[in-house]
Amino acid sequence: DSGVTQTPKHLITATGQRVTLRCSPRSGDLSVYWYQQSLDQGLQFLIQYYNGEERAKGNILERFSAQQFPDLHSELNLSSLELGDSALYFCASSAGAFSYNEQFFGPGTRLTVL
Amino acid sequence: SQQGEEDPQALSIQEGENATMNCSYKTSINNLQWYRQNSGRGLVHLILIRSNEREKHSGRLRVTLDTSKKSSSLLITASRAADTASYFCATDARSGGSNYKLTFGKGTLLTVNP
Repeated sequence: DSGVTQTPKHLITATGQRVTLRCSPRSGDLSVYWYQQSLDQGLQFLIQYYNGEERAKGNILERFSAQQFPDLHSELNLSSLELGDSALYFCASSAGAFSYNEQFFGPGTRLTVL
Repeated sequence: SQQGEEDPQALSIQEGENATMNCSYKTSINNLQWYRQNSGRGLVHLILIRSNEREKHSGRLRVTLDTSKKSSSLLITASRAADTASYFCATDARSGGSNYKLTFGKGTLLTVNP
């Protein structure tokens, strides 16, 4: 158990819909990272927040947005969903601001868009 | 494109044998990490090797890093069926300014047969 929690575990929705994925980092960790894992693209970094502020951005689509709240939990919002957005979405956390330190991953949310 | 690329894509061995996986990357790094993922689950951090280190051990794991060749290898000795998983190398890459993002390869699927 990494100490990172993600909800929900599974999400099934239809194209065009909007969903919110939630992540609670390990106690004391200030950075939260979001990743998307699909068979064709592999594991792709989406975005990082550090202590409430956006820190680094990766291959995140404009239809996707995220935020980190004062209690350090984070939400990833996916809108206008397409079939290709079906994937595993992971949240990870780390103590510091730099992503090149050890990250602790949550169990993931499996999103299926029908 | 991926910063890190693992080789081979898949590896099948018998219990008790050693497993070696390789990773090549393209740009200079601060450190290189290896993660493990059991099917459909979150990633688990295995080991981190800094750019000024050449070899590191952790239990049955041995990691080497050759920055001149931009490559790393992960050796698992005396493998067990429970080692069956996908193994990913991850390297940091600049994400703009002083920010970094962790970039994962597509992984090596290791199967250890009892």
